[in-house]
Amino acid sequence: ETGVTQSPTHLIKTRGQQVTLRCSSQSGHNTVSWYQQALGQGPQFIFQYYREEENGRGNFPPRFSGLQFPNYSSELNVNALELDDSALYLCASSSQQGITGELFFGEGSRLTVL
Amino acid sequence: GENVEQHPSTLSVQEGDSAVIKCTYSDSASNYFPWYKQELGKRPQLIIDIRSNVGEKKDQRIAVTLNKTAKHFSLHITETQPEDSAVYFCAASIESNYQLIWGAGTKLIIKP
Repeated sequence: ETGVTQSPTHLIKTRGQQVTLRCSSQSGHNTVSWYQQALGQGPQFIFQYYREEENGRGNFPPRFSGLQFPNYSSELNVNALELDDSALYLCASSSQQGITGELFFGEGSRLTVL
Repeated sequence: GENVEQHPSTLSVQEGDSAVIKCTYSDSASNYFPWYKQELGKRPQLIIDIRSNVGEKKDQRIAVTLNKTAKHFSLHITETQPEDSAVYFCAASIESNYQLIWGAGTKLIIKP
């Protein structure tokens, strides 16, 4: 069974640039959630994708967008990067829509915005 | 919306002693409460969860208790070991919902 993988693991961008982060969900999982984790904080929910549709969204502006592909992998896109976007971005997959059990997290993509 | 507060932010205990981490939540509709452990530089991993129809759940040295009336839940770790050193997060959700609301985390330090 393949776990959740994310790429890239680290990246540095400058303010105003755009970034795309990628996530491959665990085998058999059809739901992907994205979280932002600032240093020393708990993860903050960005959005969830279920069967290629956005299923719910947290308190993040529209410049945070995403996609889910037929193989259930997912992308997180952030436009017009701001300094406060510097964080660890975590992808989590699960086997069902909503929260009914364990989320399986990737190792994260650490984004630094200069 | 839901808000989860977690205390303490740092907890240092002697190896072999017990550790207790407490969380409170604001939305009485929340009915799913997981605890995640995150080691330094690693991904969060679920260690135990509880649903609102249960008051307590145990798994070896780890237990979680839930008080729905007071809207708080706690993680108990007995006979702590060095490998228990990590950041622990509580979270709350309405089970039919799609997002977990997380606490700010507790850094647990096990002193040898």
